[in-house]
Amino acid sequence: KAGVTQTPRYLIKTRGQQVTLSCSPISGHRSVSWYQQTPGQGLQFLFEYFSETQRNKGNFPGRFSGRQFSNSRSEMNVSTLELGDSALYLCASSLPSRETQYFGPGTRLLVL
Amino acid sequence: SQQGEEDPQALSIQEGENATMNCSYKTSINNLQWYRQNSGRGLVHLILIRSNEREKHSGRLRVTLDTSKKSSSLLITASRAADTASYFCATGGGGTSYGKLTFGQGTILTVHP
Repeated sequence: KAGVTQTPRYLIKTRGQQVTLSCSPISGHRSVSWYQQTPGQGLQFLFEYFSETQRNKGNFPGRFSGRQFSNSRSEMNVSTLELGDSALYLCASSLPSRETQYFGPGTRLLVL
Repeated sequence: SQQGEEDPQALSIQEGENATMNCSYKTSINNLQWYRQNSGRGLVHLILIRSNEREKHSGRLRVTLDTSKKSSSLLITASRAADTASYFCATGGGGTSYGKLTFGQGTILTVHP
């Protein structure tokens, strides 16, 4: 099976812009989670989607949003970018109610 | 917020030596997992240990779990240069966690050839 894919892999934006990141899970995996990784805060959970519904959300401002499509592909959107949003954004998929997650290679976002 | 602490924060050893990393967590758990991350890439799942298990092996990996102390350790035996990576413990993920893994700060392991 193909692994989790994320696009784009690298992105440079300026403050105030918005960005959309995409994630395609492993075939058959309907749960998709998103994480932000920074040197200062480490790995932090953003949100999780299952069957097109957000089931869980981390402690991030409303500028961070996501959605999931009927084929389980997911997107996350960050509006009004701030310098502090520069990070590696990781997507992970899993089978329903299973603990192990399979991660994509990440999208590295730089906000200037 | 992070679940707990990992120590050491960084570990440097020679090939062939064993590497031990420790993780502490704060809340009660159903399971604990260890993941590896190579140089800012995605995480790779290594091993999962359930709360009713004390020790688990997978190849050169040995994980222990002490729920009374809320701690776990990962031992990599006979380290190789290819083991150079960051290692994270994580709790949650299944059941009512609804996809949320809570990670430790990680240990950076460098194995010198």
